[in-house]
Amino acid sequence: EVQLVESGGGLVQPGRSMKLSCAASGFTFNNYDMAWVCQAPKKGLEWVATISYDGSSTYYRDSVKGRFTISRDNAKSTLYLQMDSLRSEDTATYYCARMGYTTDYYYLDGTYYYYYFDYWGQGVMVTVSS
Amino acid sequence: DVQMTQSLSYLAASPGESVSISCKASKSISNYLAWYQQKPGEAYKLLIYSGSTLQSGTPSRFSGSGSGTDFTLTIRSLEPEDFGLYYCQQYYEKPYTFGAGTKLELK
Repeated sequence: EVQLVESGGGLVQPGRSMKLSCAASGFTFNNYDMAWVCQAPKKGLEWVATISYDGSSTYYRDSVKGRFTISRDNAKSTLYLQMDSLRSEDTATYYCARMGYTTDYYYLDGTYYYYYFDYWGQGVMVTVSS
Repeated sequence: DVQMTQSLSYLAASPGESVSISCKASKSISNYLAWYQQKPGEAYKLLIYSGSTLQSGTPSRFSGSGSGTDFTLTIRSLEPEDFGLYYCQQYYEKPYTFGAGTKLELK
């Protein structure tokens, strides 16, 4: 059974840092891209960041670029999100998600991968407030 | 960014009824559309991807349709465990974006 368990959330002051962890089990962690998705109170879901299966590629939404860093330790089957220079608008529940994918072949460009979130953790709350 | 619009925030229905939840993208996303369910105290659950492909374990009373900009999630013969929140999400391009959600409530 796929399990994703987040930890590391809590209350933090604006401008400070926090590191989230996500312990994965029930699947071969180093075969899958992984992601963080967040949901602010009473707001919708927002994709935050994605990391490739081997950690070689990372992607971020614009609002967290330069402040957040997604990383992984495949030996420990653990995903991380280092959040620096936190702002009140970063207050949200953060979800760890495994990424599934579909592929399409384009004659001139080759194979493209399209990723969705096939398993989610229960989430961890991060509150940025003084 | 691709805006995803779920026109209904709330939908009330009774067990045994069939319901449809719509989702519209601000530009064509082909069929790169996923549907998720959330129930209180539970993790988000992927129901459908590629617009109409059921994720393993999704009951056959769920179906998805659409392509381009307009998509629909249909639930036939509602069961008590189907009441909850439903979100659509495009994965055609980054940033991946979600609809605001439709809450399916017991009438």
